Amino acid sequence: GENVEQHPSTLSVQEGDSAVIKCTYSDSASNYFPWYKQELGKGPQLIIDIRSNVGEKKDQRIAVTLNKTAKHFSLHITETQPEDSAVYFCAAKGQAGTALIFGKGTTLSVSS
Amino acid sequence: DGGITQSPKYLFRKEGQNVTLSCEQNLNHDAMYWYRQDPGQGLRLIYYSQIVNDFQKGDIAEGYSVSREKKESFPLTVTSAQKNPTAFYLCASGVTHPGYEQYFGPGTRLTVT
Repeated sequence: GENVEQHPSTLSVQEGDSAVIKCTYSDSASNYFPWYKQELGKGPQLIIDIRSNVGEKKDQRIAVTLNKTAKHFSLHITETQPEDSAVYFCAAKGQAGTALIFGKGTTLSVSS
Repeated sequence: DGGITQSPKYLFRKEGQNVTLSCEQNLNHDAMYWYRQDPGQGLRLIYYSQIVNDFQKGDIAEGYSVSREKKESFPLTVTSAQKNPTAFYLCASGVTHPGYEQYFGPGTRLTVT
């Protein structure tokens, strides 16, 4: 079945720096790749997603890139702010059903 | 006010008791999902349902049961057969056409002692 690996598990940056989180997936038929942000004690929030027919998508300070050949996708956060501190999860959807397979998460800490 | 509600936020039970977690959505989504979250493990799929009166097992369905009698509701029962029930349980709902976006509720933290 589908497997999603996410790196790094923890990431510390200074306010204003950029942060990059990378994920790889195993099922070449996967066609949908969302990213979620989870704050402590809350449910994950969908922040951006990309479909397999698109190579890059941007929304203000966040962007996602997809390399279908290499089967990896990345989240880029520019001009990081302390409120960006959270756990970020990537996910992928395979062909079977609509369920997502999640990576194990990256804890991002932005210090001012 | 649209969204996904889970109740209660915190739940405490004694070992050997079954417990049912509530999940309701008013987003008119066809699909609903239950995930379990443990520290360092990410989110693991327990059960999902794409239409009323139908559901499929996820990766860790043993010791859990669900029902989907109404589009808006997808309750999860944690049975006494679940060996390690203490966890953070997340319900999600989502669209199936044309996209696959899923949106999460606030979660229920279950503690079994």
